[in-house]
Amino acid sequence: KAGVTQTPRYLIKTRGQQVTLSCSPISGHRSVSWYQQTPGQGLQFLFEYFSETQRNKGNFPGRFSGRQFSNSRSEMNVSTLELGDSALYLCATQESGQETQYFGPGTRLLVL
Amino acid sequence: GNSVTQMEGPVTLSEEAFLTINCTYTATGYPSLFWYVQYPGEGLQLLLKATKADDKGSNKGFEATYRKETTSFHLEKGSVQVSDSAVYFCALFSGSARQLTFGSGTQLTVLP
Repeated sequence: KAGVTQTPRYLIKTRGQQVTLSCSPISGHRSVSWYQQTPGQGLQFLFEYFSETQRNKGNFPGRFSGRQFSNSRSEMNVSTLELGDSALYLCATQESGQETQYFGPGTRLLVL
Repeated sequence: GNSVTQMEGPVTLSEEAFLTINCTYTATGYPSLFWYVQYPGEGLQLLLKATKADDKGSNKGFEATYRKETTSFHLEKGSVQVSDSAVYFCALFSGSARQLTFGSGTQLTVLP
């Protein structure tokens, strides 16, 4: 099976702009989770989607949002970008009823 | 809440040395435990996992045993290689929280 894919791999934006990141799960995986990785805060959970519904949410401001489509592909959106949003954004997918998450290569976002 | 405490790095070893990276956790219930590895510029790769007490996860010469009595999941390898140089993350998945909680990561460098 193909692995988790994320696009784009790299992004450069300026403060105040918005950005949309995409994640395509492993075939058959219906749960998609998003994590933010920064040198200072480490890996932090953003949210999880299952069957097009947000099932769980981490402690991030409302500028961070996401959605999931009927084919399980997911997008996350960050509006009004701040310098502190510069990070590696990782998507992870898992099968229903399983606890193992498989990660994509990440999207590296740089906010200038 | 759930938390994972991981051995501080960086760790530098010579090739063929023995590796131990300590990991302890705090969680309600009975979480599943994982070790992930991250190579430069990449996402997280699942290294091994254990889903219940006394389970031993193993892969590519790495091993870790789920110790409920000491709430630990230490990573070991008998003989490291230069190609093992990477950042290693200990993590737990709690069914109630439905998210991975990560340790801070340990940078391993193996010198030839």
